[in-house]
Amino acid sequence: ETGVTQTPRHLVMGMTNKKSLKCEQHLGHNAMYWYKQSAKKPLELMFVYSLEERVENNSVPSRFSPECPNSSHLFLHLHTLQPEDSALYLCASSQFQDSAYEQYFGPGTRLTVT
Amino acid sequence: GQNIDQPTEMTATEGAIVQINCTYQTSGFNGLFWYQQHAGEAPTFLSYNVLDGLEEKGRFSSFLSRSKGYSYPLLKELQMKDSASYLCAVRDGDYKLSFGAGTTVTVRA
Repeated sequence: ETGVTQTPRHLVMGMTNKKSLKCEQHLGHNAMYWYKQSAKKPLELMFVYSLEERVENNSVPSRFSPECPNSSHLFLHLHTLQPEDSALYLCASSQFQDSAYEQYFGPGTRLTVT
Repeated sequence: GQNIDQPTEMTATEGAIVQINCTYQTSGFNGLFWYQQHAGEAPTFLSYNVLDGLEEKGRFSSFLSRSKGYSYPLLKELQMKDSASYLCAVRDGDYKLSFGAGTTVTVRA
């Protein structure tokens, strides 16, 4: 595997379910990110981890809970979601968080909340 | 907050040139990125500008004017595969990356 991978690619869940999204980067990067992409809207930054520590939390509802066990893996735990949470969730990584290095994105998880 | 504006849609003919304007107002500036995103795929990096002027890379060029707060990519010799969404992203004074809503470019034969 190369680059940034995400699983699952598609997820349908009910509002009472609990699920997790997984992201893995094979680039040796030190920073990882979760973004939400809704139709016709800008990418919204949700969480930033640098060297496995959370450095950014953009007022995201507590029903989204991130976890970064090591510099290569990032999870997004989901529980009691709302239909408006349906979106494409993108994971990204970069060499460092506060630098000019570009971010590399995974293919995303298309989430549908029913 | 940050304000990044770009047109929603553009249409161009195969072989032509298209310019996508992005204007921004951010608290501080540490560079501007352009990403390309094909439908159903991940955004991929196209360019990075931090100094004023034009950066050229094959069929793709990107221009930045920091004093006027705008940037544009130039896509030359358009091909059908260039049909995609183009995302403008600005890194502010705190190195946070903020994205525009994207411009969907449709290339017609």
